[in-house]
Amino acid sequence: KAGVTQTPRYLIKTRGQQVTLSCSPISGHRSVSWYQQTPGQGLQFLFEYFSETQRNKGNFPGRFSGRQFSNSRSEMNVSTLELGDSALYLCASSPILAGVPGELFFGEGSRLTVL
Amino acid sequence: DAKTTQPNSMESNEEEPVHLPCNHSTISGTDYIHWYRQLPSQGPEYVIHGLTSNVNNRMASLAIAEDRKSSTLILHRATLRDAAVYYCILGVSGSARQLTFGSGTQLTVLP
Repeated sequence: KAGVTQTPRYLIKTRGQQVTLSCSPISGHRSVSWYQQTPGQGLQFLFEYFSETQRNKGNFPGRFSGRQFSNSRSEMNVSTLELGDSALYLCASSPILAGVPGELFFGEGSRLTVL
Repeated sequence: DAKTTQPNSMESNEEEPVHLPCNHSTISGTDYIHWYRQLPSQGPEYVIHGLTSNVNNRMASLAIAEDRKSSTLILHRATLRDAAVYYCILGVSGSARQLTFGSGTQLTVLP
């Protein structure tokens, strides 16, 4: 069974640019969530999508946005990049939304460096 | 949000049991306790989760205190591949997909 796939794995951008990251969840998983990991702040929740709708959102500025497509694939976008946006961006998929919590399956992440 | 407290680091010898503690004194009645681990250069990996009763799976056991204010992840026989950062997380009630990760415990396994 294929795992969660994130692309690109590595990318370098400059301040002010924008970036789009992609996540393909495990087949059959309809919930996709995104996390930012930095050495200083650790792993922080960005947002969660289910059935093309954003269901939860973390405490990040509006420059961070996302969407989910009908095939459950998700993208996140960061506009007007700042140096502090340099981080590992992790995507996780899950087969269920409500009720008893299940397992999150994480991808290997997209490492963004902002110069 | 309820917070967890874990030791920054722990060491264990290979093939010995490891007990990783976690304090969560402000846990609410419906918060699940999740454990994930992150190996170097990889995304976090699910280990186990529970609500009130102790739980076992092929990877580990989770012992939950009767008052639920603390829990312990037990690796029965540590291997070198178990060296990772272990996160104890309280799932937001009703949703497992918005997890607040703390700083975790860096487990070092000595050969």
